[in-house]
Amino acid sequence: NFMLTQPHSVSESPGKTVTISCTGSSDSIANNYVQWYQQRPGSAPTIVIYSDDQRPSGVPDRFSGSIDTSSNTASLTISGLKTEDEADYYCQSFDSDTYWVFGGGTRLTVL
Amino acid sequence: QITLKESGPTLVKPTQTLTLTCSFSGFSLSTPGVGVGWVRQPPGKALEWLALIYWDGDERYRPSLKNSLSIVKDISKNRVVLTLTNMDPLETATYFCVHKFKRNSHFDSWGQGILVTVSS
Repeated sequence: NFMLTQPHSVSESPGKTVTISCTGSSDSIANNYVQWYQQRPGSAPTIVIYSDDQRPSGVPDRFSGSIDTSSNTASLTISGLKTEDEADYYCQSFDSDTYWVFGGGTRLTVL
Repeated sequence: QITLKESGPTLVKPTQTLTLTCSFSGFSLSTPGVGVGWVRQPPGKALEWLALIYWDGDERYRPSLKNSLSIVKDISKNRVVLTLTNMDPLETATYFCVHKFKRNSHFDSWGQGILVTVSS
């Protein structure tokens, strides 16, 4: 089964840049778009990046997404960190056998 | 503006059937390309996609649960109903209703979620 692997947690200081990785178990990550969701405690997830690197309206340009096909890894980069960015982040992609798959989530702490 | 809201029991007993309703506004499930689905999240754990139905009746299910899941649309009432049979305590989770367009890979709108506890 297709799986997406994320680090359990990352931490960084306000104003800095952090990158969260999402590695696919097969080359599907290169063949299907990757999305990123932000989930604050007690709230539903919201989309911050779709189709690998597209930002929905209303999401600050401090958020960016990228794909590295050589390592089968998607990345979410947040620059100019703010305390309000502290949340859980989930990557998500699609596989023709397992359909919509989420990563295990990464807890971002802004120290 | 798209809104979705989940409703249903917050406590079910093991082996019982769970029936959840997603009531939505701001779109119609008769519009080509539109889909409504369900995602769940056990306390402190990751998101898990369960099922989705498109405007044309195309149904998709999580392969490991396809024998336990059923998703039905009611276009006239703007709602989607999810049924999950033989509930287990490990299926205690917040259940979210989601909206997506078939041409996209992402869930663009989410309901607030409903916490369902499975316990005797």
